[in-house]
Amino acid sequence: GENVEQHPSTLSVQEGDSAVIKCTYSDSASNYFPWYKQELGKRPQLIIDIRSNVGEKKDQRIAVTLNKTAKHFSLHITETQPEDSAVYFCAARRNNNDMRFGAGTRLTVKP
Amino acid sequence: DAGITQSPRHKVTETGTPVTLRCHQTENHRYMYWYRQDPGHGLRLIHYSYGVKDTDKGEVSDGYSVSRSKTEDFLLTLESATSSQTSVYFCAIALDRNTEAFFGQGTRLTVV
Repeated sequence: GENVEQHPSTLSVQEGDSAVIKCTYSDSASNYFPWYKQELGKRPQLIIDIRSNVGEKKDQRIAVTLNKTAKHFSLHITETQPEDSAVYFCAARRNNNDMRFGAGTRLTVKP
Repeated sequence: DAGITQSPRHKVTETGTPVTLRCHQTENHRYMYWYRQDPGHGLRLIHYSYGVKDTDKGEVSDGYSVSRSKTEDFLLTLESATSSQTSVYFCAIALDRNTEAFFGQGTRLTVV
């Protein structure tokens, strides 16, 4: 089955700096790659996603890049703010709709 | 928020007892998933469904079974609960294979 690895497990940045989280996947048949943000005690919520026919996608301060050849994708957050502090999860979905998640990255943005 | 409801929200049960968690949606989404969330492991897929009576195993399916007799309900059953099944369980739904999955509020299950 699909295996998704996520790094780093924890990340601490100063407010205003950029944060980058990286994920790799094992199954070349995966074609949909979402990123979720989970605040303490809350449900995961989608922040951005990318499909396999696209190399990069941006939404204001958030961007995701996908390298299909290398089977890795990354989340970039610019101009970080304290409210960006949360746990972020990457995921990869295959054609059979089986969706697997990375272990998560705890991001702390220090004011 | 998507119309997805999990019940119960919290449950404490004894080792060896059967437990059923319910996921109910009002969105008529085809796909439904059950995940468990444990510290250091992220979200791990237990089972998923791609239609009524169509289900498949995920990466941690041992000790769990599911049923989907109608579009709106996806049931997760622990046949004989063990302490290792203490976790937070999330249900998720998706319209199709290329769209966002929406999560329920989660169910905190404690097996004592």
